[in-house]
Amino acid sequence: EAQVTQNPRYLITVTGKKLTVTCSQNMNHEYMSWYRQDPGLGLRQIYYSMNVEVTDKGDVPEGYKVSRKEKRNFPLILESPSPNQTSLYFCASRRGGLDTGELFFGEGSRLTVL
Amino acid sequence: LAKTTQPISMDSYEGQEVNITCSHNNIATNDYITWYQQFPSQGPRFIIQGYKTKVTNEVASLFIPADRKSSTLSLPRVSLSDTAVYYCLGGATNKLIFGTGTLLAVQP
Repeated sequence: EAQVTQNPRYLITVTGKKLTVTCSQNMNHEYMSWYRQDPGLGLRQIYYSMNVEVTDKGDVPEGYKVSRKEKRNFPLILESPSPNQTSLYFCASRRGGLDTGELFFGEGSRLTVL
Repeated sequence: LAKTTQPISMDSYEGQEVNITCSHNNIATNDYITWYQQFPSQGPRFIIQGYKTKVTNEVASLFIPADRKSSTLSLPRVSLSDTAVYYCLGGATNKLIFGTGTLLAVQP
């Protein structure tokens, strides 16, 4: 089954404790991206990756890091989480290049930073 | 980058046709317009995509006027299960800008 898998689905942590949210896709997609969703603000892009070792900032990259060492994985790293990073996070993937096809989203990771 | 504007919410009744309009600010010549549906606690799901005129699939139609400054998602004969947030997305390459979405509430 084609899917995007995120882990963990739920996480409560404390300020300053580094954490990683993993994202993996099994569709051989070149393009992957991360979003955060907050009430009243919709979906905002954090980072995206056009291919292995190619990443770039989205609209709200501050406080986040990403890496793309393998095509299927695109982890989101919060080096020093703060309460304003409490949010619902989604990973998504799509075929690459100038393809305009659909984005496939994961089920989301709800993060709470105390 | 194409910034989009949608109504925050809409109400409808079962069996009615619902039209949700999105305005695209600064949409580029090569940008496509894509709509997604999102249920609570789930990731958004692709509904339909178009470039100009009209596109129809098994769940919706998408109308895009000649100037491409707006688009309208049309859902025929909605049911309670169509209650969700609908996002309009302008652009389709790297930086993707979602609007704040339209919450469609379908009542019996």
